[in-house]
Amino acid sequence: DGGITQSPKYLFRKEGQNVTLSCEQNLNHDAMYWYRQDPGQGLRLIYYSQIVNDFQKGDIAEGYSVSREKKESFPLTVTSAQKNPTAFYLCASSIVPGWNTEAFFGQGTRLTVV
Amino acid sequence: GENVGLHLPTLSVQEGDNSIINCAYSNSASDYFIWYKQESGKGPQFIIDIRSNMDKRQGQRVTVLLNKTVKHLSLQIAATQPGDSAVYFCAENFADNSGSARQLTFGSGTQLTVLP
Repeated sequence: DGGITQSPKYLFRKEGQNVTLSCEQNLNHDAMYWYRQDPGQGLRLIYYSQIVNDFQKGDIAEGYSVSREKKESFPLTVTSAQKNPTAFYLCASSIVPGWNTEAFFGQGTRLTVV
Repeated sequence: GENVGLHLPTLSVQEGDNSIINCAYSNSASDYFIWYKQESGKGPQFIIDIRSNMDKRQGQRVTVLLNKTVKHLSLQIAATQPGDSAVYFCAENFADNSGSARQLTFGSGTQLTVLP
């Protein structure tokens, strides 16, 4: 089945460590996005990518890094520079360009700093 | 029941009543809007979308209204059911400053609770 898969579902990190969240899609979508969601809050854009080997910073990119070496993969690294990384992270993908830019979401990764 | 947007992040309605969830979007250049439903611990799911050349679109039990003059979007759910309880987000889609990439930006969401 086509879809977007995030892994792991739960992730625990010690302070000072970098961690990488996986996001894979087999929908042949050009665009991929990473969002952060805090309890009771909306989604805030971290990074987005429209094509392979290109990505742009979103509203809260500090302390995060991404890569887009393959169309189907858009991993997010939460670095030690991110001072408050505990959150729910959502990856999405969409067809670009055009009107049909509905984004499909993964089921999320809940990151907890211990 | 009716929610007036970001100042009232929760909305409670009786089962069977109609729900109205409002959203004020920020970018006058936005040309595509989407409503998503998010259940606890899950990713958002698409409900309905609307393009900026329309002011109303209907789906199954849901209607989206767009008022570009005041940058306002609403989601109407008819005959609200217990399974409708979730957080609802509006999202706006627009070209970024470079003109070559598009962003999808979300509102803060409204928690809908359906009472038995």
